[in-house]
Amino acid sequence: SQQGEEDPQALSIQEGENATMNCSYKTSINNLQWYRQNSGRGLVHLILIRSNEREKHSGRLRVTLDTSKKSSSLLITASRAADTASYFCATFRTGGFKTIFGAGTRLFVKA
Amino acid sequence: DGGITQSPKYLFRKEGQNVTLSCEQNLNHDAMYWYRQDPGQGLRLIYYSQIVNDFQKGDIAEGYSVSREKKESFPLTVTSAQKNPTAFYLCASSVTGLAGTYNEQFFGPGTRLTVL
Repeated sequence: SQQGEEDPQALSIQEGENATMNCSYKTSINNLQWYRQNSGRGLVHLILIRSNEREKHSGRLRVTLDTSKKSSSLLITASRAADTASYFCATFRTGGFKTIFGAGTRLFVKA
Repeated sequence: DGGITQSPKYLFRKEGQNVTLSCEQNLNHDAMYWYRQDPGQGLRLIYYSQIVNDFQKGDIAEGYSVSREKKESFPLTVTSAQKNPTAFYLCASSVTGLAGTYNEQFFGPGTRLTVL
């Protein structure tokens, strides 16, 4: 089964609003990463948060990690139409050798 | 320009044919990966390689084969044994495939394979 599962599957908001996406996972992890994918393109790495970190910021992105609940959230503030994309969380298990991707959240930002 | 490239962008295959997808990186990364993405779904790992001349099966390796003769190249062959090969294929690389700090992956633009 997938290690990471995103919620919601799809999200539609107005430009300027904040977008929050959540990710849950099942086993202990070394780190958790968020990626973005524009339609028909490759994935782009956004941010990596280690298991001993609780919050990380990068520009308009804020990622939190709660290892006790095995969950993470990605917040995009002041969203723009250009933020329209699919967002994936990916986990690297403790002692593992590969990164496991969730099914993604499709974000649509209306101008 | 440093990066990871895939070719071709679109590929059409007749049933019963083998086809090879190219993946090249000039990032000097040790680890390389092949993923398959079906519409509206996440990525599933086909094969990965942590170092030259070594590779491991991922979750859906049946019907696929790879080689890693050079650090910068990791071609994927989709064989006739793969019964449902129509999908979007993504290649990626990372500094290391081990449980280290810098294992974020850099992705190529993808190859869309269609079986006619």
